[in-house]
Amino acid sequence: DVKVTQSSRYLVKRTGEKVFLECVQDMDHENMFWYRQDPGLGLRLIYFSYDVKMKEKGDIPEGYSVSREKKERFSLILESASTNQTSMYLCASSATGFGGETQYFGPGTRLLVL
Amino acid sequence: GEDVEQSLFLSVREGDSSVINCTYTDSSSTYLYWYKQEPGAGLQLLTYIFSNMDMKQDQRLTVLLNKKDKHLSLRIADTQTGDSAIYFCAESTHSGGSYIPTFGRGTSLIVHP
Repeated sequence: DVKVTQSSRYLVKRTGEKVFLECVQDMDHENMFWYRQDPGLGLRLIYFSYDVKMKEKGDIPEGYSVSREKKERFSLILESASTNQTSMYLCASSATGFGGETQYFGPGTRLLVL
Repeated sequence: GEDVEQSLFLSVREGDSSVINCTYTDSSSTYLYWYKQEPGAGLQLLTYIFSNMDMKQDQRLTVLLNKKDKHLSLRIADTQTGDSAIYFCAESTHSGGSYIPTFGRGTSLIVHP
């Protein structure tokens, strides 16, 4: 079974702090994604990566950066956390094939920025 | 750009059928998916359909695809309280070297006795 793990289930940070959210997958997937989920807005793509050291902006990259130094690990960084970044953050991974790559999701990290 | 629309809420009685509807705009979508999210958890793939299919059945789940109208539906037969969750419709289109899914906002299914 594919397993995607996220470093924390719940996180409380203060405005201005640097925040690291870690995601690890164990299926040698090429693609990894970071989403945020807010009530009524569904999932919005922040960044994705299709290979080590590669990254692409999603729909809402402002205020975030990412790092992919190893294939299995994809980190989301909030350089200076703000209250409007309070949200549920979901990591996902998928394999690259001829289409129809199912995404496998982690359990999510609920971040509260005070 | 891509857009996936679905209603936000659906309430059904236990034992009835549930039908969750979704419309999408990108006619080049190759795959369409239904994901389920239980409270406090990430999303889990329920089923998917390739764009050249009209229907797919998997136990209590039936997916119907009307490609002409860009309409996708998920029918859950004999709905149980354990089916209460948020259901996300997603389409997958090719972008660069990868298939990037676009998700709807999710339909909260509430099953009451």
